[in-house]
Amino acid sequence: EAQVTQNPRYLITVTGKKLTVTCSQNMNHEYMSWYRQDPGLGLRQIYYSMNVEVTDKGDVPEGYKVSRKEKRNFPLILESPSPNQTSLYFCASSFWAGELFFGEGSRLTVL
Amino acid sequence: GQQLNQSPQSMFIQEGEDVSMNCTSSSIFNTWLWYKQDPGEGPVLLIALYKAGELTSNGRLTAQFGITRKDSFLNISASIPSDVGIYFCAGQNPFKIQGAQKLVFGQGTRLTINP
Repeated sequence: EAQVTQNPRYLITVTGKKLTVTCSQNMNHEYMSWYRQDPGLGLRQIYYSMNVEVTDKGDVPEGYKVSRKEKRNFPLILESPSPNQTSLYFCASSFWAGELFFGEGSRLTVL
Repeated sequence: GQQLNQSPQSMFIQEGEDVSMNCTSSSIFNTWLWYKQDPGEGPVLLIALYKAGELTSNGRLTAQFGITRKDSFLNISASIPSDVGIYFCAGQNPFKIQGAQKLVFGQGTRLTINP
């Protein structure tokens, strides 16, 4: 089954404790991206990756890092999480930047 | 960052009613996409539009790519309970950034249906 898999789905953590949200896709997509969803703000792009050689910032990259060492994986790293990073996070992939396939989401709470 | 103006932000309707929502932008787009997010899940693509003036249907859903390339609308006819969710429009900016044409999302329309 074609899918984008995120882990964990739910996480409660404390300020400053490094965490990683993993994302894996099995559709051989070149393009992958991370979004955060906050009430009234829709989906805002954090980082994207055109392929394993190209990764760049989206609209709200502050406080986040990513890596793309292999085509299928695109982890999101919060080196020192803060409460304003409490949000619902989505990973997405596609053959191009338009028709995205989304994961089921990871709800993060930073205390 | 750039955002689309999506309206209404929320809708409360009776089952069986028709629904209409739209997105507008000050910039032109070369692609419009409509997604639906069911509660607790990720957004799923409903309809993709690639040409100004294009009108596309997917079952009870109909979407149009505005002729000015700055807007799009989505209609749902004869709503049913499973239509509940958040609907997002997304436009693809024709200007490439690092080789990618940026996809911009609207704020979403939350649809609630009373049985």
